[in-house]
Amino acid sequence: DQQVKQNSPSLSVQEGRISILNCDYTNSMFDYFLWYKKYPAEGPTFLISISSIKDKNEDGRFTVFLNKSAKHLSLHIVPSQPGDSAVYFCAASNYGGSQGNLIFGKGTKLSVKP
Amino acid sequence: GAVVSQHPSRVICKSGTSVKIECRSLDFQATTMFWYRQFPKKSLMLMATSNEGSKATYEQGVEKDKFLINHASLTLSTLTVTSAHPEDSSFYICSARGPTSQFFGPGTRLTVL
Repeated sequence: DQQVKQNSPSLSVQEGRISILNCDYTNSMFDYFLWYKKYPAEGPTFLISISSIKDKNEDGRFTVFLNKSAKHLSLHIVPSQPGDSAVYFCAASNYGGSQGNLIFGKGTKLSVKP
Repeated sequence: GAVVSQHPSRVICKSGTSVKIECRSLDFQATTMFWYRQFPKKSLMLMATSNEGSKATYEQGVEKDKFLINHASLTLSTLTVTSAHPEDSSFYICSARGPTSQFFGPGTRLTVL
């Protein structure tokens, strides 16, 4: 049973436009959500996170939105840049991101075209 | 941000040999480290949770006698793949639990011939 789902395996966006990556989860006990960015043959790099007590967190070009009633979160990248091309993993945890194990989605490969 | 290193970054070994992978948290102490394995086109799969000074907790389906984990200090955890076989070839990633997030190492590409 997949608790964290990223239903789009890939996404292609034009440079300068918005990239929206989606993530759904099934476990209502999750209270902390994170997005990681991963280049081939490298470990994931932390991007942005959000606690379940919030519905939005913004950091520069990256914004994460959380809809608890729909058990859905999304990552918005505006404006998208070619260097953003990577695989993005959504991850969820309970008891806070530093306490519980992270459960990862399968990732979405983002391609930003010049 | 916090830095986690892994060594080696890439290793090729013969079937039947053992391989040790080191994971170090460079600028913070990590009482808990995690070992993940990434399969092609799949998510990161948690293999085990490594706690400093105690036995590792393995996920279901992960052979503890094959994947030996030692967390000897607050900055070092090791994963030893014993009697490696070609099906063990994969990308192994460690992470260390920091104050607000988990920080990942760069990964180790293991190829078993």
